[in-house]
Amino acid sequence: EIVMTQSPATLSVSPGARATLSCRAAQSVNSNLAWYQQKPGQAPRLLIYGASTRATGIPARFSGSGSGTEFTLTISSLQSEDSAVYYCQQYNNWPPLTFGGGTKVEIK
Amino acid sequence: QVQLQESGPGLVEPSETLSLTCAVSGYSISSGYYWDWIRQPPGKGLEWIGTIYHSGSAYYSPSLQSRATISVDTSKNQFSLILTSVTAADTAVYYCVRRVTVVRGVVLHSYHFDYWGQGTLVTVSS
Repeated sequence: EIVMTQSPATLSVSPGARATLSCRAAQSVNSNLAWYQQKPGQAPRLLIYGASTRATGIPARFSGSGSGTEFTLTISSLQSEDSAVYYCQQYNNWPPLTFGGGTKVEIK
Repeated sequence: QVQLQESGPGLVEPSETLSLTCAVSGYSISSGYYWDWIRQPPGKGLEWIGTIYHSGSAYYSPSLQSRATISVDTSKNQFSLILTSVTAADTAVYYCVRRVTVVRGVVLHSYHFDYWGQGTLVTVSS
């Protein structure tokens, strides 16, 4: 099982500022990594796949980078509607498919 | 537009069996893709339960393999989850999800989750 570790657990950012979320894999997952956004009471929504490809309809302020074991999700200019929990997920080696523990992004 | 809708009892007694169904619309399960179940305990993160292909091939999380069974009914365009011997630790929102899958030759390549159901809360309690 590939363990995914996200940091920080909580991130408090001012509107318009940059948010940087990290995800680390215990072993290489190549670029087989996705990011999801989950708002309270809602299902997760796909943001990024292939480590850096934005899903359809996702604003350009969301970007992903990294490969191997280190990945980053960047929100370039935080908007109020970006307040959510963000999860990374690897699909390189399965079963099982595994998620990180999540990073909660709060607006200051 | 692809839509997934979970259904099933919201309350299950301890030691009993949890049974959920996911109805898919806007896409034929027989056309391909993996179809997955994921759960989320209240206030916690996401846990993958298992997956099934339209052929019936299923794979499970090692932690749940002894208790979980996923099946598919292509005639009804739905797939199902059975989880036996439930405890309070199985209380969670259960999501059914489509996973992007590409066939190259005879090999299936699977990727990220693209469509999610709204989720259904199942509480295990007497």
